[in-house]
This record gives sequence, C-alpha cells and structure tokens, in this order.
Amino acid sequence: KAGVTQTPRYLIKTRGQQVTLSCSPISGHRSVSWYQQTPGQGLQFLFEYFSETQRNKGNFPGRFSGRQFSNSRSEMNVSTLELGDSALYLCASTQGVSYNSPLHFGNGTRLTVT
Amino acid sequence: GEDVEQSLFLSVREGDSSVINCTYTDSSSTYLYWYKQEPGAGLQLLTYIFSNMDMKQDQRLTVLLNKKDKHLSLRIADTQTGDSAIYFCAETLVGSGGYQKVTFGIGTKLQVIP
Repeated sequence: KAGVTQTPRYLIKTRGQQVTLSCSPISGHRSVSWYQQTPGQGLQFLFEYFSETQRNKGNFPGRFSGRQFSNSRSEMNVSTLELGDSALYLCASTQGVSYNSPLHFGNGTRLTVT
Repeated sequence: GEDVEQSLFLSVREGDSSVINCTYTDSSSTYLYWYKQEPGAGLQLLTYIFSNMDMKQDQRLTVLLNKKDKHLSLRIADTQTGDSAIYFCAETLVGSGGYQKVTFGIGTKLQVIP
C-alpha cells in the first residue's frame, strides 16, 4: 500500500498570500488529521476530517481551514499568511473507526513565509 | 486535561541502551504510542501499548507502562547511529463523539555517539 502523500514538499510564500496544501491518505483510510510542527511548540493539532466532515478542531485562527473530498483526499488552506505560519505541516491518516487506529504520517510540507 | 511531557534531549554511546521517558496526565488514555522522526521526514510509528498492559517488547524496543504514575518509557537496546532521531510519545483519548484524540509530547532528541 502506498503511504500518506503530501504535496508539495516545500513552499515559499510571502506575507499576506494564501496557500493550499494537499494530502492523499492511505487507501481505505477515511480520517485525515493535520498538524503544525514548529521547533518551539512541537506538534499542534489543527483539525481532523472524517467522511468529508470536520470532526475535531484545534485552537487555530479561522485563517486555517480544511476540507475533505469524497475520495478522502484532504486539503488545508491558510489565508493571509503571517511569518509565524512558517512550519512543517503534517498530515496523518487512520481508518478512523476504532479506538486503536494509529496515525500514519506523510513526510510533510515545509512552508516558509517571508 | 491532557498533557504529555518528555525530556528534550538524550545522548548515548553506540551499543548502549537508551531509555526515553514520558509522562501523561489523563488516566483515561486508551492507547499510548511512540513515534520516530528523522530529519526532513514525517513521524514513523514505532510501537504502541494498550493501557491495560504493563510491558510490550518488539525486537530491540521495550515499552513499559506504569499506569499508577502515568509514566511511559521506551527502551532501545543496542542503540545504533541510525536510531538518532526525535522520539515522540503520544496518548490517545476517546473524544465525546467516540473518535480518538491524539496528544503528542514535544519530542526527545536522541543523539547516538559512535
């Protein structure tokens, strides 16, 4: 089985712009979660989607949004980029229907905001 | 509330055992996970333990769980230079909708000295 695929791997944007990141989960996985990783804050949960519905949300401003398509692929969007949005954005998928459903991570998208 | 704590750094000599420790605060955690992150990559699931277990061994990896003290440890036997990475502890709680919510520690950077 192919793993979780995130595109693009690297992005450089300027302040004020917006960005869209894509995640394709493992085949058969219906849950996709997004995390922001920074050196100071560690892994911060953004949101989780299951069957095209946002099921859980972290404490991020409304500039961060996401969606999930019927094929379970997910996108996240960040509008009005700030310097502090520079981070590694990780996507993880699970089957999403049981209590022991480990997260499987992609290699992330490295976003740099200048 | 839930919180996961880890020490930031551990340095060991090649061939020695490494022990990475983690404490969590929520006694209702169901599964506890260990992930490994190498530079430029996402998180790789190493192993996990169910909350009603005390120990789990998987080749060079041994996980010990002390539920009374909410303490989790990962022991790596015969540590190799390829084990140099950041190790994340994560606890899983069951959310109000029946889905799982995963909280990560900040990660322990393991440095293996040849």
